[in-house]
Amino acid sequence: QQPVQSPQAVILREGEDAVINCSSSKALYSVHWYRQKHGEAPVFLMILLKGGEQKGHDKISASFNEKKQQSSLYLTASQLSYSGTYFCGSSGGSNYKLTFGKGTLLTVNP
Amino acid sequence: DTGVSQDPRHKITKRGQNVTFRCDPISEHNRLYWYRQTLGQGPEFLTYFQNEAQLEKSRLLSDRFSAERPKGSFSTLEIQRTEQGDSAMYLCASSLGWGDSGANVLTFGAGSRLTVL
Repeated sequence: QQPVQSPQAVILREGEDAVINCSSSKALYSVHWYRQKHGEAPVFLMILLKGGEQKGHDKISASFNEKKQQSSLYLTASQLSYSGTYFCGSSGGSNYKLTFGKGTLLTVNP
Repeated sequence: DTGVSQDPRHKITKRGQNVTFRCDPISEHNRLYWYRQTLGQGPEFLTYFQNEAQLEKSRLLSDRFSAERPKGSFSTLEIQRTEQGDSAMYLCASSLGWGDSGANVLTFGAGSRLTVL
């Protein structure tokens, strides 16, 4: 079942923060986050495995609450290069098949 | 390593024609995936190979679609008798994974965009 992302779109000024949420009605084994720029391939950001972990990469971090079947992606002090569509992908039960949400379009303006 | 390569990048065809897309995964990756993406949507799972074996095929995939991965290397996705609803970006991804547990990070290709007139 497709995870639900919110918000659908967000517009920021450079330096502002954003949170993107991803929730599922099914039990999750893992959550993946990808960013896709227009006309390009989705690029892997991070993966969170069940266990309620939180990960960070530079100014982008994420949390995974398996009890609530939710994950959130945190972007702090946004940069112009953060613009793109962010997708969460979830797997339940086994790790090989990812089901992606509809995406969140993030636009960072100067 | 050059990543995941897809060919052609763009294909325009008339309704009823057959088209074939090729994907060359990262050489050491044993898993290969095909996804379809339409405007404003996330990638939609089509099929999955572990080495040369096709282990899962989406119920959304009609009999007009067929995928192969001979010898567990490159893969082809063929669409027969194309319809306008087949217009989409077809994404290939590969990963290195074993069993049902652990991380399975997908590396995507740039995609093959199909337009059916």
